[in-house]
Amino acid sequence: DQQVKQNSPSLSVQEGRISILNCDYTNSMFDYFLWYKKYPAEGPTFLISISSIKDKNEDGRFTVFLNKSAKHLSLHIVPSQPGDSAVYFCAATVGDNNNDMRFGAGTRLTVKP
Amino acid sequence: NAGVTQTPKFRILKIGQSMTLQCAQDMNHNYMYWYRQDPGMGLKLIYYSVGAGITDKGEVPNGYNVSRSTTEDFPLRLELAAPSQTSVYFCASSQWDTGNTIYFGEGSWLTVV
Repeated sequence: DQQVKQNSPSLSVQEGRISILNCDYTNSMFDYFLWYKKYPAEGPTFLISISSIKDKNEDGRFTVFLNKSAKHLSLHIVPSQPGDSAVYFCAATVGDNNNDMRFGAGTRLTVKP
Repeated sequence: NAGVTQTPKFRILKIGQSMTLQCAQDMNHNYMYWYRQDPGMGLKLIYYSVGAGITDKGEVPNGYNVSRSTTEDFPLRLELAAPSQTSVYFCASSQWDTGNTIYFGEGSWLTVV
């Protein structure tokens, strides 16, 4: 029962270009969405989030877009840097409740110098 | 600057053996969590705690037990290890029950053979 899906296991982009990571969800009750970043041998760390009352949230080089009608969100990284190479997890929850959070399987981003 | 500390990092168990994954946080967080991540899947919540003496089941609690006798510690017990419990386990804590405040440990790789 994968309520949050990241259909691309991996993505490779050139340094300086845009990285776009995608995430789809099936549960229409989800109203808060988060992205986490994970380096090898480390735990995930929070990156950026968006509430369903918005369709865009920006934080420096990172922007998350939410399309509620399509049940789709995306993370844009501009410009991409080699240090952005990591696994990115999409997560969704109802009412920003940690106890109910559902995670995607992750997308491994590689940014080539 | 420890944050969330998990031990052991790696462990191989035989079917039917028992073990405890230790987790400690030094941030005085109220909330603590145990997740597991299977290959190609997102993190799934096993158990969580909202404070000392209070624990509750997450999405996948079967085969596990937890206790929370202090604010700092949240051990995860596997009583009768099964191959299906081969996974990477992440302990996490947060000051509030909101996703943008979660701090994860580095993970514990468990193989049951």
